Amino acid sequence: ETGVTQSPTHLIKTRGQQVTLRCSSQSGHNTVSWYQQALGQGPQFIFQYYREEENGRGNFPPRFSGLQFPNYSSELNVNALELDDSALYLCASSFGGGGTDTQFFGPGNRLTVI
Amino acid sequence: AQSVSQHNHHVILSEAASLELGCNYSYGGTVNLFWYVQYPGQHLQLLLKYFSGDPLVKGIKGFEAEFIKSKFSFNLRKPSVQWSDTAEYFCAVTPNFGNEKLTFGTGTRLTIIP
Repeated sequence: ETGVTQSPTHLIKTRGQQVTLRCSSQSGHNTVSWYQQALGQGPQFIFQYYREEENGRGNFPPRFSGLQFPNYSSELNVNALELDDSALYLCASSFGGGGTDTQFFGPGNRLTVI
Repeated sequence: AQSVSQHNHHVILSEAASLELGCNYSYGGTVNLFWYVQYPGQHLQLLLKYFSGDPLVKGIKGFEAEFIKSKFSFNLRKPSVQWSDTAEYFCAVTPNFGNEKLTFGTGTRLTIIP
């Protein structure tokens, strides 16, 4: 267990709908990164939040957006869901925004779009 | 942009066999290297990491990895595997500056036969 929690664990949405995924970071951590893990693939970086500001973004369209709150918890929002958005969404927390800071992963939000 | 290649997609070994999983990365600068493991039904966990110094790093559960800069490789090894090592293994890299975006390989599924 890493202390990183995510909710909801599983959810099913219809194409075109919107979804919000939530992540609580490990105590003492101020950075949250989100990854998308499609079936049979490695996780792909979506974006990172450091002290409530976006601190880097991967190759995902603007309909993927996020927030980080003063307590460093975070949300990932996806609008206009597409079938290809079906995946495991992973949240990782760390202390600091640098490359040498170890990220600790949560259990993931499994999203199915039908 | 950095990339990671894991050439072994599925490896099947008997208990007590030796293990070596390949990982090669592509990046022009200094990197930090990681191996993560995902046991069935569990979240991603850090096995070991390399930032600098001794290129042979030891991790949890008897795993080790060697960074060979000239070969852009960071192979994972274990002298004698156990049934409990059955899992998905991911190699990942971050540049040694900027945000801690992890770039993952596609993973290697390891099955240990009792």
